[in-house]
Amino acid sequence: NAGVIQTPRHKVTGKGQEATLWCEPISGHSAVFWYRQTIVQGLEFLTYFRNQAPIDDSGMPKERFSAQMPNQSHSTLKIQSTQPQDSAVYLCASSSLSGNTLYFGEGSRLIVV
Amino acid sequence: AQSVTQPDARVTVSEGASLQLRCKYSYFGTPYLFWYVQYPRQGLQLLLKYYPGDPVVQGVNGFEAEFSKSNSSFHLRKASVHWSDWAVYFCAVSTQVVGQLTFGRGTRLQVYA
Repeated sequence: NAGVIQTPRHKVTGKGQEATLWCEPISGHSAVFWYRQTIVQGLEFLTYFRNQAPIDDSGMPKERFSAQMPNQSHSTLKIQSTQPQDSAVYLCASSSLSGNTLYFGEGSRLIVV
Repeated sequence: AQSVTQPDARVTVSEGASLQLRCKYSYFGTPYLFWYVQYPRQGLQLLLKYYPGDPVVQGVNGFEAEFSKSNSSFHLRKASVHWSDWAVYFCAVSTQVVGQLTFGRGTRLQVYA
């Protein structure tokens, strides 16, 4: 069991460019969560998929952020026209539907310059 | 909406000393409660979780936590701290069997010889 895999681990992007982050959940897990971690805000929930369907995106910024889960083996978080305030560690987690233990990946550190 | 408060941003203990990290939650229903640990530049790892039942929960590496409904608390304890416990500890609450977690701001534990 490789755990939740996130790529890239580090990404530096220029202001205004697009950034796409990938997450591969643990095989057999049907729930996928995205969180954002910053020193100022701590851990913020962004969005949640169950069986690939979006369930709750109440934490997603209304503009520039989107998430998809095209198949059960990966999810993407896309940030368009990145801004310096988007700099953060983006954490993906997965869970089975029989229990609510979230297993986290090591995160993708995004730096917008 | 549910929330979690970790009143201590930083705790410093000597190696071998006992430890208590405090966590208070706010939720009118029956909560599911968790403690996660985050080592530098890594994702979050589950220490222990509480489902309704025995209020004292045993976790990994000698950690335990006690749920108190009357105090709305879920404090983490360890009898003897090791230098490798130096990390950030997060308390979290969920209101569903499968659903998002709401995290506290974390407590940074520093261990000195």
